[in-house]
Amino acid sequence: EVQLVESGGGLVQPGRSLRLSCTASGFTFGDYAMSWFRQAPGKGLEWVGFIRSKAYGGTTEYAASVKGRFTISRDDSKSIAYLQMNSLKTEDTAVYYCTRGGVVLVDYWGQGTLVTVSS
Amino acid sequence: QSALTQPPSVSGSPGQSVTISCTGTSSDVGSYNRVSWYQQPPGTAPKLMIYEVSNRPSGVPDRFSGSKSGNTASLTISGLQAEDEADYYCSSYTSSSTLGVFGTGTKVTVL
Repeated sequence: EVQLVESGGGLVQPGRSLRLSCTASGFTFGDYAMSWFRQAPGKGLEWVGFIRSKAYGGTTEYAASVKGRFTISRDDSKSIAYLQMNSLKTEDTAVYYCTRGGVVLVDYWGQGTLVTVSS
Repeated sequence: QSALTQPPSVSGSPGQSVTISCTGTSSDVGSYNRVSWYQQPPGTAPKLMIYEVSNRPSGVPDRFSGSKSGNTASLTISGLQAEDEADYYCSSYTSSSTLGVFGTGTKVTVL
């Protein structure tokens, strides 16, 4: 059974950093692109970014709203994907979801972790 | 990149059919057969229901079907059931630097 479990969310002050982790199981992690999405309270879904599998270069893509501030990485030996968030803004407050897949076709989602950016 | 346009809400009685539209542009829905639909019941994570316009993942009931015409994609739920009550989002690949764009979301209510 495919499982994605996010961790690392919480309350953080504006301008500070936070790193989210996504621990995967139930599939060969290194074979898949992994993405992060977010959903602000009461709002719709927004793609944050994704990282390709090593077979496709392991390169990353980001939404314009987070480019330059957020970084996605992966450790295939541990089946973990990371989302490093720097220079956080109040508008980054959202539930962050780890997902298997790219930008449009995402077949598995984690349960999400809440990030609250507030002073 | 603007979000894809969906109706805020649709409703139907059990057993009826409802259709949710997802209108984009020639830069996204109109040019690519890479449209997905996600179901999100309250307080839960989204679930993939349709991919590549009309394909259903394993385990998704065949009551759910997808189609596309021009710049508009559609999700139809036939034989509406109480468990179908949720928010539904479409998503499309786009030629813009954003790569992907979501719809505004539609709340489906079973009367």
